[in-house]
Amino acid sequence: EAQVTQNPRYLITVTGKKLTVTCSQNMNHEYMSWYRQDPGLGLRQIYYSMNVEVTDKGDVPEGYKVSRKEKRNFPLILESPSPNQTSLYFCASSLEWRSEQYFGPGTRLTVT
Amino acid sequence: RKEVEQDPGPFNVPEGATVAFNCTYSNSASQSFFWYRQDCRKEPKLLMSVYSSGNEDGRFTAQLNRASQYISLLIRDSKLSDSATYLCVVVAWFSGAGSYQLTFGKGTKLSVIP
Repeated sequence: EAQVTQNPRYLITVTGKKLTVTCSQNMNHEYMSWYRQDPGLGLRQIYYSMNVEVTDKGDVPEGYKVSRKEKRNFPLILESPSPNQTSLYFCASSLEWRSEQYFGPGTRLTVT
Repeated sequence: RKEVEQDPGPFNVPEGATVAFNCTYSNSASQSFFWYRQDCRKEPKLLMSVYSSGNEDGRFTAQLNRASQYISLLIRDSKLSDSATYLCVVVAWFSGAGSYQLTFGKGTKLSVIP
């Protein structure tokens, strides 16, 4: 089944404790991205990647890191999480930048 | 700041009604347009792409007006299962910078009432 998977689905952590949210797709898509969704603010792009080893900042990259060492994986790293990073996070992939995106099921992160 | 704007609603309509949503965008370099549907706390799912000539998929019709810089979504014969938040997406490519910009609208909430 073609899909985007994210792990973990739910995470509660404390300020400053490094964490990684994994994202993987099995559709051989070139493009992957990360979003956060907050009430009243909608979906905002954090980082995107157009191919292996090619990443770029989206609208809200501060406090996040990403890497794209393999085509299928695009982990999101929070080196020192803070409470303002409490949010619902979605990973997405698409065949190319102008194509429709397929989203993972989301990761609900709470930073206390 | 390039923006994409949607009426947040909520739109409360009876079953069988026709409802239309608009989404305006400010970046004239925008090239790709989509409508997504998002159910509460779930991931967005593609509803339909929006083509220049307009396109229809069953009860759903999408239109693009480049001159006025908006896209629209029309839902005919609304069903209870259409209740969701509808998100528009606008994608622009900046050849000079070799980068692109993808922007989601904040969504329009639709509730179809029995």
